[in-house]
Amino acid sequence: SAVISQKPSRDICQRGTSLTIQCQVDSQVTMMFWYRQQPGQSLTLIATANQGSEATYESGFVIDKFPISRPNLTFSTLTVSNMSPEDSSIYLCSVKGLAVDEQYFGPGTRLTVT
Amino acid sequence: AQRVTQPEKLLSVFKGAPVELKCNYSYSGSPELFWYVQYSRQRLQLLLRHISRESIKGFTADLNKGETSFHLKKPFAQEEDSAMYYCALMHSAQKLVFGQGTRLTINP
Repeated sequence: SAVISQKPSRDICQRGTSLTIQCQVDSQVTMMFWYRQQPGQSLTLIATANQGSEATYESGFVIDKFPISRPNLTFSTLTVSNMSPEDSSIYLCSVKGLAVDEQYFGPGTRLTVT
Repeated sequence: AQRVTQPEKLLSVFKGAPVELKCNYSYSGSPELFWYVQYSRQRLQLLLRHISRESIKGFTADLNKGETSFHLKKPFAQEEDSAMYYCALMHSAQKLVFGQGTRLTINP
Protein backbone atom coordinates (compact mmCIF):
# COMPACT_ATOMS: atom_id res chain seq x y z
CA SER A 1 0.00 0.00 0.00
CA ALA A 2 1.07 3.61 -0.56
CA VAL A 3 1.93 5.85 2.38
CA ILE A 4 0.68 9.39 1.87
CA SER A 5 1.54 12.46 3.87
CA GLN A 6 0.01 15.91 3.69
CA LYS A 7 1.25 19.27 4.88
CA PRO A 8 0.01 21.18 6.72
CA SER A 9 -2.26 18.97 8.78
CA ARG A 10 -4.35 21.99 9.67
CA ASP A 11 -4.33 25.75 9.28
CA ILE A 12 -6.38 28.78 10.12
CA CYS A 13 -6.27 31.43 7.42
CA GLN A 14 -7.73 34.86 6.83
CA ARG A 15 -10.14 35.48 4.01
CA GLY A 16 -8.57 36.71 0.82
CA THR A 17 -5.33 34.80 1.34
CA SER A 18 -4.15 31.58 -0.32
CA LEU A 19 -2.91 28.30 1.09
CA THR A 20 -0.90 25.60 -0.64
CA ILE A 21 -1.34 22.03 0.52
CA GLN A 22 1.31 19.43 -0.24
CA CYS A 23 0.81 15.73 -0.85
CA GLN A 24 3.77 13.37 -0.79
CA VAL A 25 3.65 9.65 -1.63
CA ASP A 26 6.31 7.11 -0.72
CA SER A 27 6.22 5.46 -4.14
CA GLN A 28 5.55 6.45 -7.73
CA VAL A 29 1.87 6.43 -8.59
CA THR A 30 0.07 6.96 -11.85
CA MET A 31 -2.96 8.84 -10.60
CA MET A 32 -3.43 11.39 -7.83
CA PHE A 33 -6.66 13.06 -6.82
CA TRP A 34 -7.77 15.93 -4.62
CA TYR A 35 -11.03 15.79 -2.65
CA ARG A 36 -12.85 18.24 -0.45
CA GLN A 37 -14.99 17.42 2.54
CA GLN A 38 -17.03 20.35 3.76
CA PRO A 39 -18.36 20.29 7.33
CA GLY A 40 -21.05 17.65 7.68
CA GLN A 41 -20.76 16.72 4.03
CA SER A 42 -19.35 13.87 2.06
CA LEU A 43 -16.16 13.83 0.01
CA THR A 44 -16.31 15.59 -3.35
CA LEU A 45 -13.69 15.18 -6.05
CA ILE A 46 -12.04 18.47 -6.98
CA ALA A 47 -9.65 17.33 -9.69
CA THR A 48 -7.29 14.69 -11.00
CA ALA A 49 -3.67 15.80 -10.80
CA ASN A 50 -1.88 14.84 -14.00
CA GLN A 51 1.88 14.55 -14.13
CA GLY A 52 3.33 16.81 -16.77
CA SER A 53 0.04 18.39 -17.83
CA GLU A 54 -2.80 20.48 -16.50
CA ALA A 55 -5.10 18.99 -13.90
CA THR A 56 -8.55 17.76 -14.89
CA TYR A 57 -11.21 19.57 -12.89
CA GLU A 58 -14.66 18.36 -11.96
CA SER A 59 -17.79 20.37 -12.55
CA GLY A 60 -17.97 23.29 -10.16
CA PHE A 61 -14.20 23.57 -9.62
CA VAL A 62 -11.91 25.83 -11.63
CA ILE A 63 -8.19 26.20 -12.01
CA ASP A 64 -8.13 29.84 -10.93
CA LYS A 65 -9.59 28.92 -7.56
CA PHE A 66 -7.80 25.58 -7.06
CA PRO A 67 -4.55 25.53 -9.01
CA ILE A 68 -2.84 22.15 -8.87
CA SER A 69 0.69 21.14 -9.64
CA ARG A 70 2.17 17.70 -10.12
CA PRO A 71 5.83 17.97 -10.97
CA ASN A 72 6.58 14.24 -10.60
CA LEU A 73 5.01 10.88 -9.82
CA THR A 74 5.26 11.21 -6.03
CA PHE A 75 4.23 14.79 -5.28
CA SER A 76 1.36 17.19 -5.85
CA THR A 77 0.14 20.50 -4.47
CA LEU A 78 -3.30 22.04 -4.24
CA THR A 79 -3.66 25.78 -3.69
CA VAL A 80 -6.86 27.23 -2.33
CA SER A 81 -6.86 30.79 -3.65
CA ASN A 82 -8.54 33.96 -2.44
CA MET A 83 -10.12 32.06 0.41
CA SER A 84 -13.53 32.71 1.92
CA PRO A 85 -15.19 31.05 4.93
CA GLU A 86 -17.01 28.73 2.50
CA ASP A 87 -13.63 27.15 1.72
CA SER A 88 -13.38 25.84 5.28
CA SER A 89 -13.11 22.10 4.70
CA ILE A 90 -10.91 19.09 4.96
CA TYR A 91 -8.85 18.64 1.81
CA LEU A 92 -7.66 15.13 1.02
CA CYS A 93 -5.18 13.75 -1.41
CA SER A 94 -5.63 10.23 -2.74
CA VAL A 95 -3.63 8.00 -5.06
CA LYS A 96 -4.41 5.02 -7.18
CA GLY A 97 -2.77 1.84 -5.96
CA LEU A 98 -1.46 -1.08 -7.94
CA ALA A 99 -4.83 -2.82 -8.14
CA VAL A 100 -7.02 -1.28 -10.77
CA ASP A 101 -9.74 -0.25 -8.34
CA GLU A 102 -7.70 0.61 -5.28
CA GLN A 103 -7.30 4.13 -3.84
CA TYR A 104 -5.41 5.27 -0.79
CA PHE A 105 -6.11 8.47 1.09
CA GLY A 106 -3.90 10.92 2.89
CA PRO A 107 -4.67 12.11 6.42
CA GLY A 108 -6.25 15.32 5.17
CA THR A 109 -5.65 19.02 5.76
CA ARG A 110 -8.20 20.78 7.94
CA LEU A 111 -8.60 24.36 6.74
CA THR A 112 -10.49 27.03 8.62
CA VAL A 113 -11.00 30.40 6.99
CA THR A 114 -11.91 33.32 9.23
CA ALA B 1 -25.50 11.21 -13.40
CA GLN B 2 -23.97 8.94 -10.81
CA ARG B 3 -25.17 9.22 -7.26
CA VAL B 4 -24.69 7.33 -4.00
CA THR B 5 -27.23 7.56 -1.21
CA GLN B 6 -26.77 6.49 2.39
CA PRO B 7 -30.11 7.17 4.04
CA GLU B 8 -28.90 6.90 7.65
CA LYS B 9 -26.56 9.58 8.98
CA LEU B 10 -26.43 7.89 12.36
CA LEU B 11 -26.85 4.26 13.35
CA SER B 12 -26.56 2.89 16.85
CA VAL B 13 -26.69 -0.79 17.79
CA PHE B 14 -25.70 -2.90 20.76
CA LYS B 15 -22.65 -5.09 20.81
CA GLY B 16 -23.44 -8.53 19.46
CA ALA B 17 -26.43 -7.32 17.46
CA PRO B 18 -26.55 -7.48 13.66
CA VAL B 19 -25.61 -4.40 11.69
CA GLU B 20 -26.77 -3.24 8.29
CA LEU B 21 -25.63 0.02 6.72
CA LYS B 22 -27.67 0.91 3.69
CA CYS B 23 -26.33 2.16 0.38
CA ASN B 24 -28.20 2.79 -2.86
CA TYR B 25 -26.68 4.00 -6.08
CA SER B 26 -27.65 5.49 -9.39
CA TYR B 27 -25.40 4.76 -12.35
CA SER B 28 -26.10 4.01 -15.98
CA GLY B 29 -23.12 1.73 -16.50
CA SER B 30 -21.83 -1.35 -14.74
CA PRO B 31 -20.97 -0.15 -11.23
CA GLU B 32 -17.87 -0.72 -9.18
CA LEU B 33 -18.80 -0.21 -5.56
CA PHE B 34 -16.80 0.12 -2.38
CA TRP B 35 -17.15 0.63 1.33
CA TYR B 36 -14.63 2.92 3.00
CA VAL B 37 -14.26 3.32 6.75
CA GLN B 38 -12.77 6.03 8.91
CA TYR B 39 -12.03 5.16 12.51
CA SER B 40 -11.57 7.91 15.07
CA ARG B 41 -8.39 9.92 14.40
CA GLN B 42 -7.45 7.71 11.46
CA ARG B 43 -7.48 8.28 7.75
CA LEU B 44 -10.07 7.00 5.35
CA GLN B 45 -9.35 3.42 4.30
CA LEU B 46 -10.85 0.85 2.02
CA LEU B 47 -12.95 -1.75 3.82
CA LEU B 48 -14.15 -3.86 0.95
CA ARG B 49 -15.02 -3.82 -2.72
CA HIS B 50 -17.88 -5.63 -4.40
CA ILE B 51 -15.74 -7.15 -7.12
CA SER B 52 -13.75 -9.17 -4.58
CA ARG B 53 -16.80 -10.63 -2.87
CA GLU B 54 -14.72 -10.82 0.29
CA SER B 55 -15.45 -10.59 3.99
CA ILE B 56 -13.32 -8.10 5.90
CA LYS B 57 -13.51 -7.82 9.70
CA GLY B 58 -16.72 -9.85 9.49
CA PHE B 59 -18.36 -7.38 7.11
CA THR B 60 -19.86 -8.39 3.79
CA ALA B 61 -21.66 -6.46 1.10
CA ASP B 62 -23.63 -7.82 -1.82
CA LEU B 63 -24.31 -5.89 -4.96
CA ASN B 64 -28.00 -6.08 -5.89
CA LYS B 65 -28.36 -4.61 -9.35
CA GLY B 66 -32.13 -5.02 -9.34
CA GLU B 67 -32.49 -2.87 -6.25
CA THR B 68 -29.36 -0.80 -7.07
CA SER B 69 -28.11 -1.44 -3.56
CA PHE B 70 -24.85 -2.35 -1.89
CA HIS B 71 -25.69 -2.70 1.79
CA LEU B 72 -22.96 -3.47 4.32
CA LYS B 73 -23.72 -6.17 6.85
CA LYS B 74 -22.19 -7.80 9.88
CA PRO B 75 -23.98 -10.48 11.90
CA PHE B 76 -22.48 -9.57 15.30
CA ALA B 77 -21.31 -6.02 15.92
CA GLN B 78 -18.21 -5.31 17.99
CA GLU B 79 -17.29 -2.13 19.81
CA GLU B 80 -14.29 -1.57 17.54
CA ASP B 81 -16.66 -1.32 14.58
CA SER B 82 -17.67 2.16 15.72
CA ALA B 83 -16.61 4.44 12.89
CA MET B 84 -17.75 6.52 9.94
CA TYR B 85 -18.66 4.39 6.92
CA TYR B 86 -18.84 5.67 3.36
CA CYS B 87 -20.24 3.89 0.37
CA ALA B 88 -18.57 4.88 -2.90
CA LEU B 89 -19.02 4.26 -6.59
CA MET B 90 -16.18 4.34 -9.09
CA HIS B 91 -16.94 5.66 -12.54
CA SER B 92 -14.76 6.91 -15.38
CA ALA B 93 -11.02 7.26 -14.94
CA GLN B 94 -10.93 5.91 -11.39
CA LYS B 95 -13.07 8.73 -9.99
CA LEU B 96 -15.00 8.03 -6.81
CA VAL B 97 -18.42 9.36 -5.88
CA PHE B 98 -19.13 9.08 -2.16
CA GLY B 99 -22.32 8.80 -0.20
CA GLN B 100 -22.99 11.09 2.75
CA GLY B 101 -21.63 8.59 5.21
CA THR B 102 -23.14 6.77 8.19
CA ARG B 103 -21.74 7.14 11.66
CA LEU B 104 -22.01 3.76 13.34
CA THR B 105 -21.91 3.55 17.11
CA ILE B 106 -21.73 0.20 18.87
CA ASN B 107 -23.00 0.38 22.41
CA PRO B 108 -21.54 -1.96 25.04
